[in-house]
Amino acid sequence: QSVLTQPPSVSAAPGQEVTISCSGSSSNIGNNYVSWYQQLPGTAPKLLIYDNNKRPSGIPDRFSGSKSGTSATLGITGLQTGDEADYYCGTWDSSLSAGVFGGGTKLTVL
Amino acid sequence: EVQLVQSGAEVKKPGESLKISCKGSGYSFTSYWIGWVRQMPGKGLEWMGIVYSGDSDTRYSPSFQGQVTISADKSTTTAYLQWSSLKASDTAMYYCARGNIHYYDSSGYRHYFDFWGQGTLVTVSS
Repeated sequence: QSVLTQPPSVSAAPGQEVTISCSGSSSNIGNNYVSWYQQLPGTAPKLLIYDNNKRPSGIPDRFSGSKSGTSATLGITGLQTGDEADYYCGTWDSSLSAGVFGGGTKLTVL
Repeated sequence: EVQLVQSGAEVKKPGESLKISCKGSGYSFTSYWIGWVRQMPGKGLEWMGIVYSGDSDTRYSPSFQGQVTISADKSTTTAYLQWSSLKASDTAMYYCARGNIHYYDSSGYRHYFDFWGQGTLVTVSS
């Protein structure tokens, strides 16, 4: 059971938009910054979003992040088949004094 | 170019010890943390622990405290994850990643992993 809760799966058609939610508590998302990671099949995770809504160099602006209260959201617009992957949210948990990840969401682009 | 290169796959028996490595290059090794993340077969990412390469300050997830030891050697820019007695349930892919942890009174902790190693597959089987 992960500290952060994500939907197990989401799906949408190519060209459409999708959002992935990440729910936590005041000890993690509520008072700390959120990051998001993309893990393509058979590869290591890659940082997509940090500090709630910032994109590292090279990440297209089709990917966006937001945070409100104890929840965060990853948005992906203009879906491509290459976006099919597992997506994870992450943050620091002040009660645990450790980082935590969500359980992951599998994105299917139909 | 920032690179984290991990040691190769391991096959071990229950009860054996193991130390896997993660060599950083292309950046100031002592200015960043190195974290370890477990991914069991078909499962999600689990945050295990993190070490600050500059002074070896180490933090562990409660789930992994006492189960593994994380360390760093700044002379070789290498971080390590070790077990003293492996179990079959330790079978997993292990990733190292360059970590950022900053605390701000007004906005809390900034924590994320910006570069990742390729992973080390550890198989524990009798």
